[in-house]
Amino acid sequence: GAVVSQHPSWVICKSGTSVKIECRSLDFQATTMFWYRQFPKQSLMLMATSNEGSKATYEQGVEKDKFLINHASLTLSTLTVTSAHPEDSSFYICSATSTDTQYFGPGTRLTVL
Amino acid sequence: LAKTTQPISMDSYEGQEVNITCSHNNIATNDYITWYQQFPSQGPRFIIQGYKTKVTNEVASLFIPADRKSSTLSLPRVSLSDTAVYYCLVGLIYSGYALNFGKGTSLLVTP
Repeated sequence: GAVVSQHPSWVICKSGTSVKIECRSLDFQATTMFWYRQFPKQSLMLMATSNEGSKATYEQGVEKDKFLINHASLTLSTLTVTSAHPEDSSFYICSATSTDTQYFGPGTRLTVL
Repeated sequence: LAKTTQPISMDSYEGQEVNITCSHNNIATNDYITWYQQFPSQGPRFIIQGYKTKVTNEVASLFIPADRKSSTLSLPRVSLSDTAVYYCLVGLIYSGYALNFGKGTSLLVTP
């Protein structure tokens, strides 16, 4: 199957700082990528849809000014958590569709101290 | 988006066949059914996808009745490494369409 990568796999930061997470489709192009968030013992929650060359679409309740998404190329989408706070600590997962199947990245564990 | 209902948890012994059923009563005509496996601190891994009848690959089978209001993921001869959370998702599979996750089924395989 297709491969989606994420970088970094984990990050620890201080409260108030910004953190950027990269999502790459390694062997296919993706005009659309998705960002999910998963808290411990919970399911994945869709945060936003990242569209190449245009603005991202955010789910209800997700602050677009806090979670900045940039989809600069057909293989890269970035999620920047701005002014991170401890409540933003979570597991962030991206995904993209290749040949009618959605593939997920390995996830990024964000811990905000 | 079609809502899915799965058992919260299931237990099995090694070597047994495990069947996880997912209910999706309001599945739309163009929706597909996709199953993913997730281990702790990892992204979901695609298992199998189907539209109707039966689909089989090297790791699982997916049974979908004619009315498509439910589906069953069948894992033959499970091993300890199959302990994971399994998600049933229903929706459009084409680029640009997100999948919404339900609570999933936590499968525990013991010796």
